[in-house]
Amino acid sequence: DAGITQSPRHKVTETGTPVTLRCHQTENHRYMYWYRQDPGHGLRLIHYSYGVKDTDKGEVSDGYSVSRSKTEDFLLTLESATSSQTSVYFCAISPQGINTEAFFGQGTRLTVV
Amino acid sequence: SQQGEEDPQALSIQEGENATMNCSYKTSINNLQWYRQNSGRGLVHLILIRSNEREKHSGRLRVTLDTSKKSSSLLITASRAADTASYFCATMGGGADGLTFGKGTHLIIQP
Repeated sequence: DAGITQSPRHKVTETGTPVTLRCHQTENHRYMYWYRQDPGHGLRLIHYSYGVKDTDKGEVSDGYSVSRSKTEDFLLTLESATSSQTSVYFCAISPQGINTEAFFGQGTRLTVV
Repeated sequence: SQQGEEDPQALSIQEGENATMNCSYKTSINNLQWYRQNSGRGLVHLILIRSNEREKHSGRLRVTLDTSKKSSSLLITASRAADTASYFCATMGGGADGLTFGKGTHLIIQP
């Protein structure tokens, strides 16, 4: 798993509540990513980070925010969860830098009821 | 929007046969990568091919890239039951903004 830990692994939450997912890496890799995976859509990029406090939006960033105050942690927050955010969320790192392979965490299955 | 599109969406073959999956993409790329995902697990990187390469091998895997047709293929030779998984192609455009994935091919190897 390339030293990537996602927490929690499973979560059920109610519509309108805030939710924070955590991605932790054991190495000081610069590039980190959050994707969501939905049936029929494959994986889509939500946000990414290229260093502490350096983040940017991906393809499906609406309704999500991120923070990276330490190199090892990349947090994804759903400010007010909606049923359309029910998904499996994957964190990834690119240890060799941009334009290289990515290593993924095990995923967080989030259900918004 | 989805950059890559895999074909076929699903493939079922007998153990020992070869499996071929195709990927088409829309815009210029820096590289194209293939990943495998077993049910309920994260994605595992298989192989990366750069835009100036035409073919690459890794064990039983062979990847080709045709930038003029904006397409790639993944060949798995002598398939095994353990190869049962979903396979995704993903393109990288050259910036820091991560990979753009296709929807995947679900491969089933029949024993």
